[in-house]
Amino acid sequence: QQQVKQSPQSLIVQKGGISIINCAYENTAFDYFPWYQQFPGKGPALLIAIRPDVSEKKEGRFTISFNKSAKQFSLHIMDSQPGDSATYFCAASGITSGSRLTFGEGTQLTVNP
Amino acid sequence: GAVVSQHPSWVICKSGTSVKIECRSLDFQATTMFWYRQFPKQSLMLMATSNEGSKATYEQGVEKDKFLINHASLTLSTLTVTSAHPEDSSFYICSARDSGRETQYFGPGTRLLVL
Repeated sequence: QQQVKQSPQSLIVQKGGISIINCAYENTAFDYFPWYQQFPGKGPALLIAIRPDVSEKKEGRFTISFNKSAKQFSLHIMDSQPGDSATYFCAASGITSGSRLTFGEGTQLTVNP
Repeated sequence: GAVVSQHPSWVICKSGTSVKIECRSLDFQATTMFWYRQFPKQSLMLMATSNEGSKATYEQGVEKDKFLINHASLTLSTLTVTSAHPEDSSFYICSARDSGRETQYFGPGTRLLVL
């Protein structure tokens, strides 16, 4: 019930391409869905987050698409750059979980120049 | 804004010694802080939730007597790894939740190596 499934495990994209990472959750009580970016040896940094009352949120080159009925959400990185090469984690939380984040397994993104 | 610091950034210690890691929210008050552990190429594993002025809540399987957590103020939480063993070697990351908000901000992490 608490799991968040993330795919793919790794992704290679050419510079300028679109990177797409998908997540699925089970707990319908989740109501907050952030994405984090982590570089090697660093802590995760919040990229963008969404709540279930909207189906899409865009911030710069990063867009979250949210499908409440399918219990799925995805991160789209437009015009991917080599500097975007990092590990991306989706997460979910809700009031019933005390705002504790449940993380996906992570996606290692490589953007080739 | 929303900066979380950790100290030290890395530490090497001998087996059997204790190590304290500090987590500070620099520009906001955090009623709740979280401690995570991360192994190479794996996701973050929540160890415990720390609320200011109260006892920490540990996740299942995390030994509370081994991983002592203190959250004495709205800007500081500490994790002490007691009687460290080589299997405790890992990347420890804290996060802080801005009071009244959902967002968690993460620290830069502390790499612990126990020899």
